[in-house]
Amino acid sequence: GAVVSQHPSRVICKSGTSVKIECRSLDFQATTMFWYRQFPKQSLMLMATSNEGSKATYEQGVEKDKFLINHASLTLSTLTVTSAHPEDSSFYICSASDRAKGYTEAFFGQGTRLTVV
Amino acid sequence: DAKTTQPPSMDCAEGRAANLPCNHSTISGNEYVYWYRQIHSQGPQYIIHGLKNNETNEMASLIITEDRKSSTLILPHATLRDTAVYYCIVRVNTGNQFYFGTGTSLTVIP
Repeated sequence: GAVVSQHPSRVICKSGTSVKIECRSLDFQATTMFWYRQFPKQSLMLMATSNEGSKATYEQGVEKDKFLINHASLTLSTLTVTSAHPEDSSFYICSASDRAKGYTEAFFGQGTRLTVV
Repeated sequence: DAKTTQPPSMDCAEGRAANLPCNHSTISGNEYVYWYRQIHSQGPQYIIHGLKNNETNEMASLIITEDRKSSTLILPHATLRDTAVYYCIVRVNTGNQFYFGTGTSLTVIP
């Protein structure tokens, strides 16, 4: 199956700093990628839809100025958590679908564990 | 929002078939049923999807009722590595978002 890679897999940052997470589709083109957040023992919650070459679409309740999304190419989307606070500590996961296959499946990255201290 | 209902947890003996149910009574005619699973601290893994016919692949079988209001994922011979949270998702098959429900935590017991 198609491969989606996230980097880094784990990051610890100080409160007030910003953290960037990368999501790459390694062997297919993804005009749309999705970012999720998952708190312990909870399900994945969709944060935003990342569109190549245009602004991201955020789910209700997600602060667009805090979670900056850039999707500059067909294989890369980035999520920047700005001015991070301990409550932003979570598991962040991206996903992408293959345009050539009609977006029938979503392939997920391995996730990024963010800890804000 | 998730449009599915699943039992929160299930156990299954190793080597036996695991049957995971899902209710999606408000499913629309153009929505597919997808199944993903998530092993602890990893990204979700695709298992199978279908519209109205039963589907089978190397991982599992998907049985969808004739009225499409419910489905069952079958792992024919469960192994310890199948212990995971299994998510049933309904979605229009055109690149729309996946909304995850609470899923079923399956524990395969030796």
